[in-house]
Amino acid sequence: DAGITQSPRHKVTETGTPVTLRCHQTENHRYMYWYRQDPGHGLRLIHYSYGVKDTDKGEVSDGYSVSRSKTEDFLLTLESATSSQTSVYFCAIKRSREDSPLHFGNGTRLTVT
Amino acid sequence: DQQVKQNSPSLSVQEGRISILNCDYTNSMFDYFLWYKKYPAEGPTFLISISSIKDKNEDGRFTVFLNKSAKHLSLHIVPSQPGDSAVYFCAAPLNTGNQFYFGTGTSLTVIP
Repeated sequence: DAGITQSPRHKVTETGTPVTLRCHQTENHRYMYWYRQDPGHGLRLIHYSYGVKDTDKGEVSDGYSVSRSKTEDFLLTLESATSSQTSVYFCAIKRSREDSPLHFGNGTRLTVT
Repeated sequence: DQQVKQNSPSLSVQEGRISILNCDYTNSMFDYFLWYKKYPAEGPTFLISISSIKDKNEDGRFTVFLNKSAKHLSLHIVPSQPGDSAVYFCAAPLNTGNQFYFGTGTSLTVIP
C-alpha cells in the first residue's frame, strides 16, 4: 500500500455536469499524477504536479483541470463532463529520486451518461 | 503518437512455462524502463525496472532484457504461475524522469 486514497471509487454523472476527483497521499511526496485508462490506449497522462501550486499538462489534458493547494491532495476536475471522459482514472505518486517508479492508487471508475 | 508500444494485446501460457512480454519504444531519450502489473479493479503495481546502461535486470522469476539498438525490451517470467495472470504495462519516463509514457498493455493468462 503506497498510502494513496482516491475518492470516490465509483461515480456516475450526467453530461455537462462538473465532477471533481480527489487523490490523497500520506507519504508527503512531491510528485503526483493523474492518468486515465481506456481500452486500446493503455494509461495516458492527464496532468501532473511537481509541488504545491505547480502543475503541468500531460498528453490528454483537454477538458480537465487540476489543483494542488496542499502536498497531500491533488484534485482533478472535469468542468463539464462529456461521454468521452467515461474512463478509469488513476492517481499516482513518485519519490523525488530520478529513477523512482510511480505508485498508483486503486482508481476511480467514472461513467458519464 | 505512441512512444511506447506493446503490439500483443494478449498472451496465453501454460503454468510452469516461460512468459515473454514485449515492448518497443521510439524515443531514444528514454533512460530507464519499467514494467507494471495490473489486476482488475486495482491500480497498476510496479514490478521491475531497467536502466538504459544495462541490458538485463533480474528479480526472482522476473527478468527484463533491453536491446537499445532495436529499441526493444522484454519481460520474461519463469516459471509462470496462475497468479501472474494480469495485464502488464511497460513504461518509460521523460523530462528528468517525471513524465511517464505507458504502452497499451498485454493481458497475460497463465493456464493451470
